[in-house]
Amino acid sequence: GAGVSQSPSNKVTEKGKDVELRCDPISGHTALYWYRQSLGQGLEFLIYFQGNSAPDKSGLPSDRFSAERTGGSVSTLTIQRTQQEDSAVYLCASSLQDRRPTKFFGPGTRLTVL
Amino acid sequence: AQKVTQAQTEISVVEKEDVTLDCVYETRDTTYYLFWYKQPPSGELVFLIRRNSFDEQNEISGRYSWNFQKSTSSFNFTITASQVVDSAVYFCALTSSGGYNKLIFGAGTRLAVHP
Repeated sequence: GAGVSQSPSNKVTEKGKDVELRCDPISGHTALYWYRQSLGQGLEFLIYFQGNSAPDKSGLPSDRFSAERTGGSVSTLTIQRTQQEDSAVYLCASSLQDRRPTKFFGPGTRLTVL
Repeated sequence: AQKVTQAQTEISVVEKEDVTLDCVYETRDTTYYLFWYKQPPSGELVFLIRRNSFDEQNEISGRYSWNFQKSTSSFNFTITASQVVDSAVYFCALTSSGGYNKLIFGAGTRLAVHP
């Protein structure tokens, strides 16, 4: 597609359930990033992928959070045993390669944990 | 450590007014990039501009202009003759030239342009 796409656009879940959020980067973009935007916390970096590997996972808030990327394209962010504090908008971004610093963002997935 | 400060939390103006959004950054890197993104009510972050640390030329794009001053570590954004469609949250961000260019964002400035 022309831009970064994310699905679902909205997700409402019950506390304790697992959720999967999907990101389709711009075709050909080798770098992929997940960010979280929650009220009062601004935009927080979660994880970075170069190809299928994740050299930096330092932003993942707990071991309930994990992410993978397959085929150097689609990425899935999984949150296990969701908590109310996980409620936020999860944003995905991609860029052409490491030395091309402009990141293009998707529309985000709004996660609400009841 | 890298840090971006947007001291203005919210700004409210009337259409056709000029408005400047402030951004101050901290970094120990000698080569870095600065960005502005716009987040309209729809939620998507829209890239506006990228500026590298060794190019201090100011830039103008239509009603938008950017003033980069290394001496004061500032990268301010001015909207001339603001319009209602400019209403959004604007984020300033910083990344170093090395590694994988993780973006460090400011807290954002919410701009409301009233008719």
